[in-house]
Amino acid sequence: GAVVSQHPSWVICKSGTSVKIECRSLDFQATTMFWYRQFPKQSLMLMATSNEGSKATYEQGVEKDKFLINHASLTLSTLTVTSAHPEDSSFYICSALMGNTIYFGEGSWLTVV
Amino acid sequence: GQNIDQPTEMTATEGAIVQINCTYQTSGFNGLFWYQQHAGEAPTFLSYNVLDGLEEKGRFSSFLSRSKGYSYLLLKELQMKDSASYLCAVRERDYKLSFGAGTTVTVRA
Repeated sequence: GAVVSQHPSWVICKSGTSVKIECRSLDFQATTMFWYRQFPKQSLMLMATSNEGSKATYEQGVEKDKFLINHASLTLSTLTVTSAHPEDSSFYICSALMGNTIYFGEGSWLTVV
Repeated sequence: GQNIDQPTEMTATEGAIVQINCTYQTSGFNGLFWYQQHAGEAPTFLSYNVLDGLEEKGRFSSFLSRSKGYSYLLLKELQMKDSASYLCAVRERDYKLSFGAGTTVTVRA
């Protein structure tokens, strides 16, 4: 069964609004989670590293004020896309480290209209 | 950062064997992963290598040579359901994963 759960699977929002995506580790504590974005037919690009109890670490070129990450507990990290625009439409995937293996959530398709 | 290269596409016949190569360059190697990704879905874990050699798991095997910066994923007894994208990913010491562009494998009857 899944070890990392992501919600929602699909979301459509209007341009200019904000949308929150949740990533939960199931039955284990994840002090570190990662957020990726994947455009069609492209590979996964790391956006940021989410650390429980501290600020997220963003990759170069990723706007921290636009993609807000909150890792308030050992089992939950959230990604909020603020003031969304159509170019933010993408597949967003989180992952968590369990032992030596990194497991991915099911992914969230975001469409901004 | 990393420079991860893998072929874009491969085609093989049902029941055959396919080998997907991956070369990488990194400053802080801490493991190499292979993931399978079907269109529109999240990647699923296939294998993990941190030491040189071959790891076998059923129909899938993965090989690593750290000195050469080289890995391959071997898929045996191909089935139609194996048609997917296969992602090579390198982990650094801070546990960040960097992905190659993926190899799309098409299995034909």
